[in-house]
Amino acid sequence: KAGVTQTPRYLIKTRGQQVTLSCSPISGHRSVSWYQQTPGQGLQFLFEYFSETQRNKGNFPGRFSGRQFSNSRSEMNVSTLELGDSALYLCASSLELAGGRDTQYFGPGTRLTVL
Amino acid sequence: AQSVTQLGSHVSVSEGALVLLRCNYSSSVPPYLFWYVQYPNQGLQLLLKYTTGATLVKGINGFEAEFKKSETSFHLTKPSAHMSDAAEYFCAVSGTGGSYIPTFGRGTSLIVHP
Repeated sequence: KAGVTQTPRYLIKTRGQQVTLSCSPISGHRSVSWYQQTPGQGLQFLFEYFSETQRNKGNFPGRFSGRQFSNSRSEMNVSTLELGDSALYLCASSLELAGGRDTQYFGPGTRLTVL
Repeated sequence: AQSVTQLGSHVSVSEGALVLLRCNYSSSVPPYLFWYVQYPNQGLQLLLKYTTGATLVKGINGFEAEFKKSETSFHLTKPSAHMSDAAEYFCAVSGTGGSYIPTFGRGTSLIVHP
């Protein structure tokens, strides 16, 4: 089975722009979660989607949004980029439950740099 | 709220020595516990997980961890370190307080000296 894929792997944007990141989960996985990883804050949960619905949300401003399509692929969008948004954005998929009994499988991440 | 504390942001060992990475969690109910490894510029890879049953969990690459409820700990060990073990290790907890979203520790960087 193919693993979780994320595109693009690297991205450079300037302040004020917006960006869309894409994640394709493992086939059959219905839950997709997004995390932001920075040296200062570590791994922080952004949101989780299940069956095209946002099921859980972390403590991030409304500039961060996401969606999930019927084939479970997910996108996250960040509008009005700030320097502090520079981070590695990780997507993780699981069969049904994010965390819990199910294991989350992570993609390689998208490295976003905001100049 | 659930939380995870990883003691030591950096751990340095010699090749062939015992690896011990510490993880303590806060929870009032039996949690689900995970250890992940992250190599540079890569995502997280699951090493092992504890859900129920045997408290000694064996994972990939020779790693194992023991769930100790009385100590609220889930320390990761490997008898003999290899150079390829150098990476960032994350402990995570989920399933407490009705939340299935995992909470991750800040990570421990394992440095292996030849």
